[in-house]
Amino acid sequence: DAGVIQSPRHEVTEMGQEVTLRCKPISGHNSLFWYRQTMMRGLELLIYFNNNVPIDDSGMPEDRFSAKMPNASFSTLKIQPSEPRDSAVYFCASKAGRRSGELFFGEGSRLTVL
Amino acid sequence: KNEVEQSPQNLTAQEGEFITINCSYSVGISALHWLQQHPGGGIVSLFMLSSGKKKHGRLIATINIQEKHSSLHITASHPRDSAVYICAVVQGAQKLVFGQGTRLTINP
Repeated sequence: DAGVIQSPRHEVTEMGQEVTLRCKPISGHNSLFWYRQTMMRGLELLIYFNNNVPIDDSGMPEDRFSAKMPNASFSTLKIQPSEPRDSAVYFCASKAGRRSGELFFGEGSRLTVL
Repeated sequence: KNEVEQSPQNLTAQEGEFITINCSYSVGISALHWLQQHPGGGIVSLFMLSSGKKKHGRLIATINIQEKHSSLHITASHPRDSAVYICAVVQGAQKLVFGQGTRLTINP
């Protein structure tokens, strides 16, 4: 398996633009997580899905952020409109099973909002 | 106070030394992860444990649920072990809460 695949790896955009980050989890994994990493706050959970259903979105910063998982093999994290403080590395991760199972991370998407 | 505290924040050692990184947490957990993040940024899960001890090669992870404490040990450390090591606790079914990370540098 190719692992968790994220795109784009790097994105530079201007304030106010819409940003869409994409994630393809490992086939057969039924849990998917979006995390954000910044120098100031470290790693934080934004939202996670079980069987394509959002379970906990309490980490989503505000209404400008939205996440979808239309099917078991694809998820998006959208920021609209983007702001400079959204600059961070966004990681997607997936795992099999609800409690057990190793967590596999994608390589991350580094977002810079100017 | 953070729910997950790691110590030390930074650690520099010579090749071959025995390394210990500590993680203390203040919340109820169902499991604990140790993660490794290399300078390139990728994150790899090293261990997930809910009790006792696990070993993988030169890495050993222990957890004491009563004391709310976990340690990650590296024996015969090597420069390629240089990375940021992150402790993360599982709250509820799936939610991970992360420590701030320990930056380890192993000099040859």
